Amino acid sequence: GAVVSQHPSRVICKSGTSVKIECRSLDFQATTMFWYRQFPKQSLMLMATSNEGSKATYEQGVEKDKFLINHASLTLSTLTVTSAHPEDSSFYICSAPPESQETQYFGPGTRLLVL
Amino acid sequence: AQSVTQLDSQVPVFEEAPVELRCNYSSSVSVYLFWYVQYPNQGLQLLLKYLSGSTLVKGINGFEAEFNKSQTSFHLRKPSVHISDTAEYFCAVSDRSSGSRLTFGEGTQLTVNP
Repeated sequence: GAVVSQHPSRVICKSGTSVKIECRSLDFQATTMFWYRQFPKQSLMLMATSNEGSKATYEQGVEKDKFLINHASLTLSTLTVTSAHPEDSSFYICSAPPESQETQYFGPGTRLLVL
Repeated sequence: AQSVTQLDSQVPVFEEAPVELRCNYSSSVSVYLFWYVQYPNQGLQLLLKYLSGSTLVKGINGFEAEFNKSQTSFHLRKPSVHISDTAEYFCAVSDRSSGSRLTFGEGTQLTVNP
């Protein structure tokens, strides 16, 4: 149990375009999901907390207009990187804790390359 | 505020040798502790967790960790490693007030050599 999926696994786009990444909890409901960014050889950096039915909470230094988050249902959160630039190239990972649990389960990640 | 320190950025070992990956944390409240493993170009997989109860926690793939409150540590151990254990290992902490929000250490790259 507790499986989280992400789509796409890899995306290459041109500078200036927008990219949407989906995060789904497959066998549980999650009112909260988390979005992380990971640079090569580094740890995970929390970008924002996605809340079902309300606005996302962004970490300091993360532009909310740049990284749009929508938590449309109890099993789906999306991250849209708007007007992507090469510096946005990174590995994006989502996670979700099942209800009433302290443990987070992670998606397989999405590799974004902006040319 | 919480913080996690993984004392070794890289740990090279030979196959079938024992290994310990060190993790220390700081927090003003009671915490939950986790170890995750990340294989190249993949997400994080939960190895084990400490929420309460017995301080010795057993996880998947033969790993175990011991919660030491007085030393604020949660070191990960395996008595005999395999080549397939080569990966990045992350220690993480959360508490009841953080709503499952995790604070991660910087990670330890375990490399198992033949």
